[in-house]
Amino acid sequence: LAKTTQPISMDSYEGQEVNITCSHNNIATNDYITWYQQFPSQGPRFIIQGYKTKVTNEVASLFIPADRKSSTLSLPRVSLSDTAVYYCLVEGAGNNRKLIWGLGTSLAVNP
Amino acid sequence: EADIYQTPRYLVIGTGKKITLECSQTMGHDKMYWYQQDPGMELHLIHYSYGVNSTEKGDLSSESTVSRIRTEHFPLTLESARPSHTSQYLCASSPLDRADEFEKLFFGSGTQLSVL
Repeated sequence: LAKTTQPISMDSYEGQEVNITCSHNNIATNDYITWYQQFPSQGPRFIIQGYKTKVTNEVASLFIPADRKSSTLSLPRVSLSDTAVYYCLVEGAGNNRKLIWGLGTSLAVNP
Repeated sequence: EADIYQTPRYLVIGTGKKITLECSQTMGHDKMYWYQQDPGMELHLIHYSYGVNSTEKGDLSSESTVSRIRTEHFPLTLESARPSHTSQYLCASSPLDRADEFEKLFFGSGTQLSVL
């Protein structure tokens, strides 16, 4: 079973900010939160990762509240090319950890 | 950008044929993975390797086998393809760094396999 819960699908329009929230109530102390993006017929691509508070890179921002039981991926001003499936994963550090993938959130950006 | 390559991109083959899906990476990563993914479904880990001469079965039962003779190469073989093997196969790699570091996977573009 995946360790995370996220909406199956979301719709948005070009230019809007999109926030995808992921629940991970049983996150462990040493778990990190990682988001991947997957386009049709492609492998997933790493977007962003964080442990607590806020992380920002050139693609997205990741907001993590103090209790770390959820996280929100924020995509600013989405475009049609952001239409993809977004996966939220939590996993601890260490060489013997294997990521468990859920169904992800299918984001559709409309013109 | 990641340098991990999978060939062929698409493969249509008849039942009973032996096939090998190729995966190569030029990043010197020690960890490599094979995932299977059906349309709209989760990725399922079928094989992984922590380095040369290391191979392990993943969480999803698979009739495929893998080998890791060189760091950069991690081929997956199906001895006798069946229609139930029709799926997308994704190869990934990750650097095996300190034990306290997080996992970050780099994926290839995948091989879409159709067995008739």
